[in-house]
Amino acid sequence: SAVISQKPSRDICQRGTSLTIQCQVDSQVTMMFWYRQQPGQSLTLIATANQGSEATYESGFVIDKFPISRPNLTFSTLTVSNMSPEDSSIYLCSARQGSADTQYFGPGTRLTVL
Amino acid sequence: QKEVEQDPGPLSVPEGAIVSLNCTYSNSAFQYFMWYRQYSRKGPELLMYTYSSGNKEDGRFTAQVDKSSKYISLFIRDSQPSDSATYLCAMSAVGLTGGGNKLTFGTGTQLKVEL
Repeated sequence: SAVISQKPSRDICQRGTSLTIQCQVDSQVTMMFWYRQQPGQSLTLIATANQGSEATYESGFVIDKFPISRPNLTFSTLTVSNMSPEDSSIYLCSARQGSADTQYFGPGTRLTVL
Repeated sequence: QKEVEQDPGPLSVPEGAIVSLNCTYSNSAFQYFMWYRQYSRKGPELLMYTYSSGNKEDGRFTAQVDKSSKYISLFIRDSQPSDSATYLCAMSAVGLTGGGNKLTFGTGTQLKVEL
């Protein structure tokens, strides 16, 4: 399985600022995803990061708030823009490798917005 | 009603016990079923993956899917303190190889195995 790392592991940010989260995979993967995990709630898919094209966003998530880049097959970033305390959450990167029907997850980025 | 329901626990068992973790779901289109284990402050780790109905065993873990009842289970035999974690079920209607990408997760069950 692919090994996925994320930076930063945690951060505390001020309202109105933006934070970019990096996701690095140790091998080429076909698909990469970004999830949000809020306390007491299930993981929610934010978007699929497409290599070389715009990300595909799920209902309730928009590009202006969560711009995503994926410049190659091993790296992606998620930016949380104009943050508010409601954005406090754990953000997780995941990837699908080859033809597998499963996803593997990074360790997550714990974000607190004051 | 949520698409996937999972008892959040916490579930506390003595070491060596058999643990049963369960999820129910409402979408009859779900065909791919997964169990993830998540330790505190870590990302989810894939434990078991099954397609359609039936059982799958891997060491001390057995995953069971009953599509007629829309019910899936994860059994842990001879539970150990190191099994203490949150267990998340996840499922999808279309396999990733078929172009699908969306996993629907349960909220997770917190398990504590005590000495």
